[in-house]
Amino acid sequence: GEDVEQSLFLSVREGDSSVINCTYTDSSSTYLYWYKQEPGAGLQLLTYIFSNMDMKQDQRLTVLLNKKDKHLSLRIADTQTGDSAIYFCAESLTGGGNKLTFGTGTQLKVEL
Amino acid sequence: EAQVTQNPRYLITVTGKKLTVTCSQNMNHEYMSWYRQDPGLGLRQIYYSMNVEVTDKGDVPEGYKVSRKEKRNFPLILESPSPNQTSLYFCASRGTNSNQPQHFGDGTRLSIL
Repeated sequence: GEDVEQSLFLSVREGDSSVINCTYTDSSSTYLYWYKQEPGAGLQLLTYIFSNMDMKQDQRLTVLLNKKDKHLSLRIADTQTGDSAIYFCAESLTGGGNKLTFGTGTQLKVEL
Repeated sequence: EAQVTQNPRYLITVTGKKLTVTCSQNMNHEYMSWYRQDPGLGLRQIYYSMNVEVTDKGDVPEGYKVSRKEKRNFPLILESPSPNQTSLYFCASRGTNSNQPQHFGDGTRLSIL
């Protein structure tokens, strides 16, 4: 079955790197996504990775995928206070209209 | 500007009073979907639509209805709302290619008393 898990909370200091982790159970994932949700706002797509890739880098963001362990991570370099938000990982599965299955979200708090 | 627009953004209402949350997208997307977000549960899919007049149940469809009469609109209907439907609701859309990412609206916070 589908299950996507994330830790609930992460606190880092401004300028440090943040690493948000996600594990999933369904090996038929096609794409894996990271979304950001700021207070009172919708979900903003940050980045995504195809399931046959190991890594994707986009400016301050690095996504690592370990398909064997079904582990996905998002690294934010030089974390800023504006990065404080809830981060959701999501997997896209075949079938069911290719719905997204979301993790519970990780609240990132960036302290000065 | 490419947008998914939901209305209302906030609504407080009472049990049993029918309500509709509208969703409109201007990207000519075929696929649209509704999710609810609850603390500790992430987002769960309620209903989705692959195209006009084509809708299907997601993971938590009980107590909800949808319709897709036009490509741009995908309203969510609560015929007889109950307190357990108090939640934050998101509409999303994407193009035909299932690998395209979904675009989300800003959310509708419903409180059913």
